Amino acid sequence: KQEVTQIPAALSVPEGENLVLNCSFTDSAIYNLQWFRQDPGKGLTSLLLIQSSQREQTSGRLNASLDKSSGRSTLYIAASQPGDSATYLCAVNGGSEKLVFGKGTKLTVNP
Amino acid sequence: DTAVSQTPKYLVTQMGNDKSIKCEQNLGHDTMYWYKQDSKKFLKIMFSYNNKELIINETVPNRFSPKSPDKAHLNLHINSLELGDSAVYFCASSQGRSPGELFFGEGSRLTVL
Repeated sequence: KQEVTQIPAALSVPEGENLVLNCSFTDSAIYNLQWFRQDPGKGLTSLLLIQSSQREQTSGRLNASLDKSSGRSTLYIAASQPGDSATYLCAVNGGSEKLVFGKGTKLTVNP
Repeated sequence: DTAVSQTPKYLVTQMGNDKSIKCEQNLGHDTMYWYKQDSKKFLKIMFSYNNKELIINETVPNRFSPKSPDKAHLNLHINSLELGDSAVYFCASSQGRSPGELFFGEGSRLTVL
């Protein structure tokens, strides 16, 4: 059974800092992995989708990497801004038609 | 235009009542989902429909019954509501049976008193 863990559960950084969020999964036989952002009281917004054949994906200041063999993914946020404050969730698709989510990392970027 | 829209956004009701949440997507996707986010913010899949066919039904009590009249709509009906049903219910959609990029609605917060 796939399990997804995100560490840390919460992170507080000063504005401008580069940061890394971590996601680990127990079953390396995955189809793809997605990173989402959730703002309070809102739905989830897909940030990056990495297929199992890819090592990384980039969008603006965000870069997600995938290492299937070690069961890890990281989300790198460059030059963080207060508007990046949100909960970031990682979700793994093992090819069984459903995503398994981690519990998220709550990020606070202080001005 | 909102890609995935859910109604109502908030729902407060008494134990034992029956309620429905509606979801519509205008993205042309063929797969829709219901997810439940509990008080600890853990998100877990409940149901998935592909072209109106139920493809995932995750150990959810029979009191929960999804209905998909067409591939753009997926509704969730809950009978005999219990306190433990209080949560935020999210609708989502994607293209294809094995989810690629998932698009979520803003959620429906259900509170059972």
